[in-house]
Amino acid sequence: AQSVTQLDSHVSVSEGTPVLLRCNYSSSYSPSLFWYVQHPNKGLQLLLKYTSAATLVKGINGFEAEFKKSETSFHLTKPSAHMSDAAEYFCVVSSFGGTSYGKLTFGQGTILTVHP
Amino acid sequence: DAGVIQSPRHEVTEMGQEVTLRCKPISGHDYLFWYRQTMMRGLELLIYFNNNVPIDDSGMPEDRFSAKMPNASFSTLKIQPSEPRDSAVYFCASSLRRLVFGQFFGPGTRLTVL
Repeated sequence: AQSVTQLDSHVSVSEGTPVLLRCNYSSSYSPSLFWYVQHPNKGLQLLLKYTSAATLVKGINGFEAEFKKSETSFHLTKPSAHMSDAAEYFCVVSSFGGTSYGKLTFGQGTILTVHP
Repeated sequence: DAGVIQSPRHEVTEMGQEVTLRCKPISGHDYLFWYRQTMMRGLELLIYFNNNVPIDDSGMPEDRFSAKMPNASFSTLKIQPSEPRDSAVYFCASSLRRLVFGQFFGPGTRLTVL
């Protein structure tokens, strides 16, 4: 079984300040973890992925995430928010084992608002 | 590559009508997924295929929903008869077997059932 919890449904930051979107996961097998972004009325775009290589993962648009097995976390960060970062972000877990193989389990999403 | 292609992008229909959503996955991908997104329930996995074979359809809400994948480059999701509560955005996604690249999503079909 696998699950993912995004700890904040809404995050609001000012332009130029750091962004932190929190995600905790559970998985019976070695997980793959992803962050997707969805802009209004758009499809989902892959931001970054962790698949058992380096624990600090760099993605597009300056985002990065760190896999912490001891904390079962995969928080998404960005040093300086831009207005164009305003969107909904989904933390996603998948695994290579069991009946969940190949399935993505999505968190409920975090809406990021960026103020001028 | 053109990415995952879905059609139509928008569909408005009346209750009781049959609706067919279409998806063309990325060439070479052997997994295909259908999702539904609503404000109330978020993103839900409906069904997924591996090498054109349905693997898990436990997310399909009712018998009114059916999905097929007749070949590696085409899949359909059909709702018959449609109901207003089926109004949602339906996404198709595809991925490679090893999953190391994640799933790639199409732009979605926004379905409105009146």
